[in-house]
This record gives sequence, C-alpha cells and structure tokens, in this order.
Amino acid sequence: AQTVTQSQPEMSVQEAETVTLSCTYDTSESNYYLFWYKQPPSRQMILVIRQEAYKQQNATENRFSVNFQKAAKSFSLKISDSQLGDTAMYFCAFMYPGGTIQGAQKLVFGQGTRLTINP
Amino acid sequence: EAQVTQNPRYLITVTGKKLTVTCSQNMNHEYMSWYRQDPGLGLRQIYYSMNVEVTDKGDVPEGYKVSRKEKRNFPLILESPSPNQTSLYFCATHGQSSTDTQYFGPGTRLTVL
Repeated sequence: AQTVTQSQPEMSVQEAETVTLSCTYDTSESNYYLFWYKQPPSRQMILVIRQEAYKQQNATENRFSVNFQKAAKSFSLKISDSQLGDTAMYFCAFMYPGGTIQGAQKLVFGQGTRLTINP
Repeated sequence: EAQVTQNPRYLITVTGKKLTVTCSQNMNHEYMSWYRQDPGLGLRQIYYSMNVEVTDKGDVPEGYKVSRKEKRNFPLILESPSPNQTSLYFCATHGQSSTDTQYFGPGTRLTVL
C-alpha cells in the first residue's frame, strides 16, 4: 500500500524564522509525483509546490523549497523567512498510477501538520 | 477563471435523510474526484471519475454513490447518511496529463446528527 506519513502534528515558529516540515512516503512505484498543499483557515486547498520523482533537482517556489531524497523516500518542505500568512495546515501528498481504470492516478495524503507563525 | 464549485458549503442533516452535494468545474477536465477530510487522517479519496460514465471507488467508498452524466458535474450522493459521515468534503479535478495541476473546490462541511 502507498502511504504518506507526516510525523509532526503541530509546529510553531516566530515570524521570519525558517521552518522545515517533514514527510516520508512508502511506495514501490518508480513514476510518481509529490506535492505540498497548504490549507489556511478558509479551508481552501492551495498547491504550494510539486516535485516529479524523475527529477533530481529540488523544486523551489519563492520562499518554499523541498528536500527530495528519493532513496530515503523523504520529501520535506522548507519555508524561509516565514510570514504570518503562512499559518495553515500543510499536507504532503503523493500521486501514482493506481485504481482499476487504466490511466487513473491516485492521490494519497498525509495526516497534515498544523503550522503556526507567531508575531 | 478556472473554478470548481460545490454546493452546499454547509449542511446539517439527520440520520437517514438522503442528500446530494454537487460539484461543477469549468475547465473541461476529464478527471474528477471526491475526498473527505477528517482530523488526524488527512484527505481520503471516496470516488473518482475518468470521464462521463466512467467512475470507480476510491479508498473509502462505503455509504456513498456518485454519477458522471455530464463532463462538468460530479455529484456525491449519500443515500442514508450516518453520523460517521460527518466530515469536510472536497471535490477536485484535473486534466488527463499526470503533470496537470489538481484544482480543489472550496469544501462542504457536513454534519449528520
């Protein structure tokens, strides 16, 4: 079974600090994608960053970057210069070919990490 | 503007009273899916659809039904809701390519008494 584990239920840092959220996954697939989603209090799911498994280079989006360790099946998210607006629930997710319909892609989520940025 | 809409956004109902949560997208995407979000469990897939009349079970399909009669719509049906279906529900959609971004609806908060 494909699983995603986020071992930090909650984290809290001061504004402007750097914070790293952990994510590990378990799969036998070789072709997959990894994502970090942000869910602010509005509950909207917002894509933060994505990583293709075949790419060795770590993805970066402004203050957000990932540390993708394929052999270790680890996909952590680093938020630099954290801002109050970064306060949210963060979900790690993993997409792989799955389901009974040919061509289907399954998206599996971790349990989430609640991040609070303090002023 | 790319948009996924869900209705209703909030619903309180009683056990056994049939309900439907609608989902509509304006991106002409083939792939649509439903998730439920519960504390400590993240989001779990209920059903998904690859195209009109092509649907399949996800990881937690018990107690739910879906239909895909039009490409833009993918309603979630609870024939006889129970309190354990109290949850936050999300509809999501993306195109055929696995590199396409997945778009989520705003969520529906359902409470079954």
